[in-house]
Amino acid sequence: DGGITQSPKYLFRKEGQNVTLSCEQNLNHDAMYWYRQDPGQGLRLIYYSQIVNDFQKGDIAEGYSVSREKKESFPLTVTSAQKNPTAFYLCASTSDRLNEQFFGPGTRLTVL
Amino acid sequence: SQQGEEDPQALSIQEGENATMNCSYKTSINNLQWYRQNSGRGLVHLILIRSNEREKHSGRLRVTLDTSKKSSSLLITASRAADTASYFCATVTYSGAGSYQLTFGKGTKLSVIP
Repeated sequence: DGGITQSPKYLFRKEGQNVTLSCEQNLNHDAMYWYRQDPGQGLRLIYYSQIVNDFQKGDIAEGYSVSREKKESFPLTVTSAQKNPTAFYLCASTSDRLNEQFFGPGTRLTVL
Repeated sequence: SQQGEEDPQALSIQEGENATMNCSYKTSINNLQWYRQNSGRGLVHLILIRSNEREKHSGRLRVTLDTSKKSSSLLITASRAADTASYFCATVTYSGAGSYQLTFGKGTKLSVIP
């Protein structure tokens, strides 16, 4: 899991509530990413940030929001507008967009 | 958008046998990467092969790339029970305006039986 931490490991949320997932890295990487993984599926890109105070939507950004106020931190908020939020969420970072990404251990979100 | 497609979706072998997983993709790539994911964990990078390379080795791993067929294969030799995991290929493609995108396939689930 390298130098990326995600918390919490498991998260339960009631319908209609917003929830924020934490992602912190100490690798001094400029670029950070949020992915969603559903059972038996690959990873789908939610948002990414290539530099502090800048971020772009990925393939499935609807119902999610992010911020990048510090280089080390890239929190993801799952809003009540996300219709099917139950999934495994993975955060990653890289020093070079052409090279490997380093992943955190993931947060499993369950909506009750 | 799904760029890479792994084949087979699931593979079960005996310990000591070799495991081969394939990945096909649709558009030109800068490089192709293979990742491993243990159940309920994050992904771990295994190997990267650039578009001008044909074969790469790392320990018991061998990766080939055929850009004319838009395909790659990952071979794990002398498999061990600890190799049980899901394996994903991911392609790096140019997405315009100086940006590159990493796109993952759905993965191959490998089970190595002791």
